[in-house]
Amino acid sequence: NAGVMQNPRHLVRRRGQEARLRCSPMKGHSHVYWYRQLPEEGLKFMVYLQKENIIDESGMPKERFSAEFPKEGPSILRIQQVVRGDSAAYFCASSRDNEQFFGPGTRLTVL
Amino acid sequence: AQKVTQAQTEISVVEKEDVTLDCVYETRDTTYYLFWYKQPPSGELVFLIRRNSFDEQNEISGRYSWNFQKSTSSFNFTITASQVVDSAVYFCALSGKSGGSYIPTFGRGTSLIVHP
Repeated sequence: NAGVMQNPRHLVRRRGQEARLRCSPMKGHSHVYWYRQLPEEGLKFMVYLQKENIIDESGMPKERFSAEFPKEGPSILRIQQVVRGDSAAYFCASSRDNEQFFGPGTRLTVL
Repeated sequence: AQKVTQAQTEISVVEKEDVTLDCVYETRDTTYYLFWYKQPPSGELVFLIRRNSFDEQNEISGRYSWNFQKSTSSFNFTITASQVVDSAVYFCALSGKSGGSYIPTFGRGTSLIVHP
């Protein structure tokens, strides 16, 4: 049973470009969570999704950020018009109940 | 609101020393879960332990042990006879059913450096 998969592992974008981060949950898991880890900080919750529904997006910045978890395929975190402050590690976690399993993360660098 | 405090930003020890990482939490939930994760230099998050709020038994797993005390809202983590491979950032997290979903709140992490 494969764990949570994220790709790409590393992503470099120039200011103003779009970043798309993908997360495939563990088999049988229908809950996906996205977190952001800024350098030398803990993980900050961004958004919680179930299939085709956003359950809690209280941690998402109001602009430029969006997330989806379609019926088929991975969950996508999209950041439009990236800025240098978006440089961080973005972790995805999936769960079936209240135990989360984390993916390896995507490290986004904005030049 | 939930809050997790890891007051120790960085701890430096010499191999074979014992070390305790502190975690203090705040929550209004009566049912909640506490976690510890390890983040080695490679960056991934490694799950170490989950405890629920009704189980205050201390737990030991090899060189790792956890002391959960509800009276002081603490969930401390001790590594016995530390090794260089234990060098990592350790995160404590709290998950309570606020608003209907168990979304964890993480502490800022404690960086443990074990010198040979």
